[in-house]
Amino acid sequence: AQSVTQPDIHITVSEGASLELRCNYSYGATPYLFWYVQSPGQGLQLLLKYFSGDTLVQGIKGFEAEFKRSQSSFNLRKPSVHWSDAAEYFCAVGHGSSNTGKLIFGQGTTLQVKP
Amino acid sequence: GAVVSQHPSRVICKSGTSVKIECRSLDFQATTMFWYRQFPKQSLMLMATSNEGSKATYEQGVEKDKFLINHASLTLSTLTVTSAHPEDSSFYICSAKAYRGNYNEQFFGPGTRLTVL
Repeated sequence: AQSVTQPDIHITVSEGASLELRCNYSYGATPYLFWYVQSPGQGLQLLLKYFSGDTLVQGIKGFEAEFKRSQSSFNLRKPSVHWSDAAEYFCAVGHGSSNTGKLIFGQGTTLQVKP
Repeated sequence: GAVVSQHPSRVICKSGTSVKIECRSLDFQATTMFWYRQFPKQSLMLMATSNEGSKATYEQGVEKDKFLINHASLTLSTLTVTSAHPEDSSFYICSAKAYRGNYNEQFFGPGTRLTVL
């Protein structure tokens, strides 16, 4: 069965420091992979996605992620974190070989930014 | 484009009453919408897939008689929590699927906070 694991429940970084949020997936075929951000009490906003092609994906707000098939990972990175990046981050994998649109979400990582 | 709204954003009800939550795709048509439930500090759990003009498909463990879903038009899906109890208190999020060239993307609503007293 497909699954997504985000090993870090909570991460704290200083403003201006670099960030990497980890995501590992379990999926038999080529996965559709997503990163979403959720601010408190809000819905989800798509940061970036990977379907095929270049394994380094650029997203909004200065985020990028790299798909590594050998490691079953899709880690999210940002070179310099801003205080406004404090939020909940979810990695997700598209569920179903026919891309039904269903998503399986990881447990989420809470990002705290220190001034 | 691709905006999804939910109404209400917050609702408080008494135990035993029913609550209806609306999910609308404002600027696109969505034959498929999804309903999720999110407990505090936890991930989103898919409850059901709502298909326009047909019955919803519920995930394992979700009571279809308790969580009634209706997708009567291409822009509206509703979730009714029947005979709500305190354990139904949660954050409910909907999303609408839109086909983007060669893939399906979900666009999420802002969520509805349900509190059952």
